[in-house]
This record gives sequence, C-alpha cells and structure tokens, in this order.
Amino acid sequence: AQSVTQPDIHITVSEGASLELRCNYSYGATPYLFWYVQSPGQGLQLLLKYFSGDTLVQGIKGFEAEFKRSQSSFNLRKPSVHWSDAAEYFCAVGGFTGGGNKLTFGTGTQLKVEL
Amino acid sequence: DTAVSQTPKYLVTQMGNDKSIKCEQNLGHDTMYWYKQDSKKFLKIMFSYNNKELIINETVPNRFSPKSPDKAHLNLHINSLELGDSAVYFCASSSRQALILALHFGNGTRLTVT
Repeated sequence: AQSVTQPDIHITVSEGASLELRCNYSYGATPYLFWYVQSPGQGLQLLLKYFSGDTLVQGIKGFEAEFKRSQSSFNLRKPSVHWSDAAEYFCAVGGFTGGGNKLTFGTGTQLKVEL
Repeated sequence: DTAVSQTPKYLVTQMGNDKSIKCEQNLGHDTMYWYKQDSKKFLKIMFSYNNKELIINETVPNRFSPKSPDKAHLNLHINSLELGDSAVYFCASSSRQALILALHFGNGTRLTVT
C-alpha cells in the first residue's frame, strides 16, 4: 500500500530564510509525487509534481523539490521564504488501486513565517 | 473561471438530518473525487468516479452516497448525519489520460454537525 510520511508537524522560519520540508513515501513502483499547499479556508493548490526524468523539479512560487529514490524522499525547498508562504503543505504519492487512481496524502506540515 | 466549484461553502446542520454537497468542474476532466479532511487536517479519499462510474470506494459508511449525473458533476449525499461527519469535504478532478494524477481541488465545504 502506498503511504506518505511528513515527519514535521510544525515548522517556523524567519522571513528570508531558506526552507526544507521533508517527505518520505512508500510505494512499490516508480511513484508519482506531488506537493500541495493549502492556505486557510482554501482548497489545495498544486505546487509541483514529479513523474519521471530530472529528479529536481521546479514549481510555482519559487519552490523546488528533489526526488531521491535511494532515500524514498521528495523534500520541498525554497531558498528564501516570504511571509505569504505561511500555510499548510501536503506531500502526496499517486498510484493505482483496484483499477482506480488515487493520491495518498501525508499529514501535512504547517509552516509559520516570522517577520 | 472557477475550475472546480463546490456548494455550499459552509453547512451547519443537526444530527440525523440529510444533506447534499454539489461539485462541478469545467476542466474537461473525466475523473472526480471526494476527499474528507478531518480536524487534524488529514486528507483521505472517499470516492472516485471515472466517466460517471464508481471506481474507488474507500470503506465509507453507506450513509454517504455519491452521484455522478455526468462526468462534470459529482454530488455527495449524506443521510442521518452524525457528529463524526463534521469535517471539510473537498471535491477534486483529474484527467485519467494524463497519467500524472494531478488533482485540481475545489475550495471545500465545511460541514458542522451539532
């Protein structure tokens, strides 16, 4: 069964500092991996995705993530955080189950940005 | 141009009532989903429909009945509401042919059962 672990429930960084959010996945084949962001009262917005090819993927809002198969990780990074980045971040792995496709989400990491 | 829209945004009701949440997408996608987000922000898939056909049912109580009149709509009807049903329900859509499973989410319906 596919699963995702986000070990950090809360992270606080200062504005302008770098950010790394951790994500580890479990999946039997080559995974489809995603990062989503959820602002308060909003739905989830796709930041970036990995399917194949270059293991360093670029996303919106200056985010990037690196797929490391040996570590089963897909960590999200941003070199300089802005106050508007404060939100909940979800890592997800996609796969097929019973003939259907589904995304399995991690429990999320809440990012707070100190001014 | 809302891609995935759900109504209502907020729903407050009493235990035992029956309620529905509607979802529509204008992305031309062929697959739609319902996800439930609990108070700890954990997101769990409930149902998935592809071209009006149910393809995923994640052991959801049969008080929850999804209905897809066409591939652009997926509604969720809940009978005999319970306190534990309080959550945010998200509708989402994707293109099965895209093979990448990127989901587009609605803004959610916050259901509060009192």
